[in-house]
Amino acid sequence: KQEVTQIPAALSVPEGENLVLNCSFTDSAIYNLQWFRQDPGKGLTSLLLIQSSQREQTSGRLNASLDKSSGRSTLYIAASQPGDSATYLCAPYTGNQFYFGTGTSLTVIP
Amino acid sequence: DAGVIQSPRHEVTEMGQEVTLRCKPISGHNSLFWYRQTMMRGLELLIYFNNNVPIDDSGMPEDRFSAKMPNASFSTLKIQPSEPRDSAVYFCASKILSGGNTGELFFGEGSRLTVL
Repeated sequence: KQEVTQIPAALSVPEGENLVLNCSFTDSAIYNLQWFRQDPGKGLTSLLLIQSSQREQTSGRLNASLDKSSGRSTLYIAASQPGDSATYLCAPYTGNQFYFGTGTSLTVIP
Repeated sequence: DAGVIQSPRHEVTEMGQEVTLRCKPISGHNSLFWYRQTMMRGLELLIYFNNNVPIDDSGMPEDRFSAKMPNASFSTLKIQPSEPRDSAVYFCASKILSGGNTGELFFGEGSRLTVL
């Protein structure tokens, strides 16, 4: 069974800092990996989808990388803003289901 | 475009009552997932359907839980009888089941269930 670990569990940074969220998974046989954000009391919003054949995917201030062979993905957030405060989850997809980590809770302090 | 639509958004019921949660996936999506989220256990997959057919229901906690997808635009998750430990947020999500399995997953806003 796929095990997904996200480190750190919680992170607090001052506004403007660049930061990296880490995701590791045990089974490298994935089709893709998706990063989501979840605001309190809300559903999950898709941020980036990175295919197994890709190394990186970018959207605005977000950049996700994928090293499938080592079972790792990172989400880089540039110039963080208070509006980035949320929980971030990664989910590798094995072709039948998505496996979710427990997330990193991010707080960006103005 | 409308996203995944879930109803009700909030449900408060008493132990023993039947609860039905509803989901309308994004038009054209043919893979549908039901998840449950709690503080203790995080996000858990309950069941998923491909082309309206249940593929894996191993995450359904007990026989009290059942799910159906009578057509491509509607799915239900039913709990009968409900218990306080069923209190959680239930999410529905959908994606396109393509040949390359590369489709993006989209979530609804969730149904927050409280069983008293």
